[in-house]
Amino acid sequence: SAVISQKPSRDICQRGTSLTIQCQVDSQVTMMFWYRQQPGQSLTLIATANQGSEATYESGFVIDKFPISRPNLTFSTLTVSNMSPEDSSIYLCSGAGQNYGYTFGSGTRLTVV
Amino acid sequence: GDSVTQMEGPVTLSEEAFLTINCTYTATGYPSLFWYVQYPGEGLQLLLKATKADDKGSNKGFEATYRKETTSFHLEKGSVQVSDSAVYFCALGSGAGSYQLTFGKGTKLSVIP
Repeated sequence: SAVISQKPSRDICQRGTSLTIQCQVDSQVTMMFWYRQQPGQSLTLIATANQGSEATYESGFVIDKFPISRPNLTFSTLTVSNMSPEDSSIYLCSGAGQNYGYTFGSGTRLTVV
Repeated sequence: GDSVTQMEGPVTLSEEAFLTINCTYTATGYPSLFWYVQYPGEGLQLLLKATKADDKGSNKGFEATYRKETTSFHLEKGSVQVSDSAVYFCALGSGAGSYQLTFGKGTKLSVIP
């Protein structure tokens, strides 16, 4: 299956700033997704990252807050903009394809102070 | 829409005890079913999966059988170890080209010596 390298693994950020999280896959994947996992909670899908076009956001998530890029089939970024303490979560990227199912990055643990 | 209902935790077991974590789902069509494990401070790892009715997924002593008649995918292990302490997530993939996953809320398992 595909292997996803996600970075940073953790960060502590000041409120009002932005953080960009990167995911690099070691092979081409059909789909890439970004999830948020709030403390003690399950995973919530933020958006589907579309290669070469705007991401598709789930209800409650907007592009201005969570801009996403996917310039090719192996790389995607998620930016958490104008952060507040409520954005403190684990953010995970995922890749999916027909031949290997789903793979997750190791996650980015974000703390906003 | 699709949903996954997972047994509430936390679950605390003694080493070598039998483990069952219940998972039921609601979906249209013929979903794929997954169990993911999240060890402390890490991302999600695929534990096992089943793609059609009556399939049994197995890995590391864990098993789950895709039961369409009861819409269930319960996770079992005959003898748990301290190293199995983690959060376990049941998930559903609706397929049909979407590749999106729907997660249960997760069950935290603690195994004590």
